[in-house]
Amino acid sequence: EAQVTQNPRYLITVTGKKLTVTCSQNMNHEYMSWYRQDPGLGLRQIYYSMNVEVTDKGDVPEGYKVSRKEKRNFPLILESPSPNQTSLYFCASSGLAMADTQYFGPGTRLTVL
Amino acid sequence: RKEVEQDPGPFNVPEGATVAFNCTYSNSASQSFFWYRQDCRKEPKLLMSVYSSGNEDGRFTAQLNRASQYISLLIRDSKLSDSATYLCVVNKGTLTFGKGTMLLVSP
Repeated sequence: EAQVTQNPRYLITVTGKKLTVTCSQNMNHEYMSWYRQDPGLGLRQIYYSMNVEVTDKGDVPEGYKVSRKEKRNFPLILESPSPNQTSLYFCASSGLAMADTQYFGPGTRLTVL
Repeated sequence: RKEVEQDPGPFNVPEGATVAFNCTYSNSASQSFFWYRQDCRKEPKLLMSVYSSGNEDGRFTAQLNRASQYISLLIRDSKLSDSATYLCVVNKGTLTFGKGTMLLVSP
């Protein structure tokens, strides 16, 4: 089954404790991205990647890191999480370009205390 | 003008009604346009792309007006299962999502 998976789905952590949210797709997609969704603010892009070893900042990259060592994986790293990073996070992938259909993962609900 | 603007709603309509949403965008160089649907606490899913000539998919019709910089989504014969938030998405080199319009269809 074609899908985007994210782990964990739910996470409660404390300020400053490094964490990684994994994202994996099995569709051989070139393009992957991370979004956060907050009430009243909608979906905002954090980082995106056009291909392996190619990443770029989205609209709200501060406090986040990403890597794209393999085509299928695009982890999101929070080196020192803060409460303002409490949010619902979505990973997405698309075939060849950003304009292709975005396939979203199920979301990761993160709470930073 | 905000990059992508939508009326947040909610739009409350009875089953069988026709409802229309508009979305305005600020960047005239925007290249492509989409409507996504998001159910509560779930991931967004593509509903349809929006083409310059307008396009229809069953009960859904999408239109683009480049001169006025807006896109629209028309839903005919609303079903209970259409209740969701509809996200307008604009590609201007990066994807920008609107905050969404909530639709509630009641029996």
